[in-house]
Amino acid sequence: EAQVTQNPRYLITVTGKKLTVTCSQNMNHEYMSWYRQDPGLGLRQIYYSMNVEVTDKGDVPEGYKVSRKEKRNFPLILESPSPNQTSLYFCASSWDRGVYNEQFFGPGTRLTVL
Amino acid sequence: AQSVAQPEDQVNVAEGNPLTVKCTYSVSGNPYLFWYVQYPNRGLQFLLKYITGDNLVKGSYGFEAEFNKSQTSFHLKKPSALVSDSALYFCAVRGNYNTDKLIFGTGTRLQVFP
Repeated sequence: EAQVTQNPRYLITVTGKKLTVTCSQNMNHEYMSWYRQDPGLGLRQIYYSMNVEVTDKGDVPEGYKVSRKEKRNFPLILESPSPNQTSLYFCASSWDRGVYNEQFFGPGTRLTVL
Repeated sequence: AQSVAQPEDQVNVAEGNPLTVKCTYSVSGNPYLFWYVQYPNRGLQFLLKYITGDNLVKGSYGFEAEFNKSQTSFHLKKPSALVSDSALYFCAVRGNYNTDKLIFGTGTRLQVFP
């Protein structure tokens, strides 16, 4: 089954404790992206990757890091989480930057930073 | 600058009645338009898209959307609503320049009452 998987689905942590949210897709997509969803703000892009070893900032990259060492994986790293990073996070993948093709989304990771 | 607006936070409709979820946009050049749906505790799912061609686009689950260039709108419609259509709906838009990004609206919650 074609899918995007994220782990963990739920995470409660404390300020400053480094964490990684994993994302993996099995569709051989070149483009992958991370979004955060906050009430009243919709989805905002954090980082995206056009291909292996190619990453770039989205609209809200501060406090986040990503890497793309393999085509299928695109982990999101919070080196020192803060309460304002409490949010619902989605990983997505597609054949391109969302120009012609739809994005496939993971199930989401609900992060709470205390 | 690109922008997308979903003017209604929530739309309420009785089962069996037609529904409309509104979306307006602003881009330079030609728009690429998408609708996504988010069911509770799930990631976003693609519904339909407009790239070019016929202004009336048909998508999944009986939904359709009409591209109106003069009004810069891309409203989502369904002739007869189902209770199971209750979800959060996102409109997304991208311009046709290479540097344009896909941006999402803030979402509209559709509530269909039995």
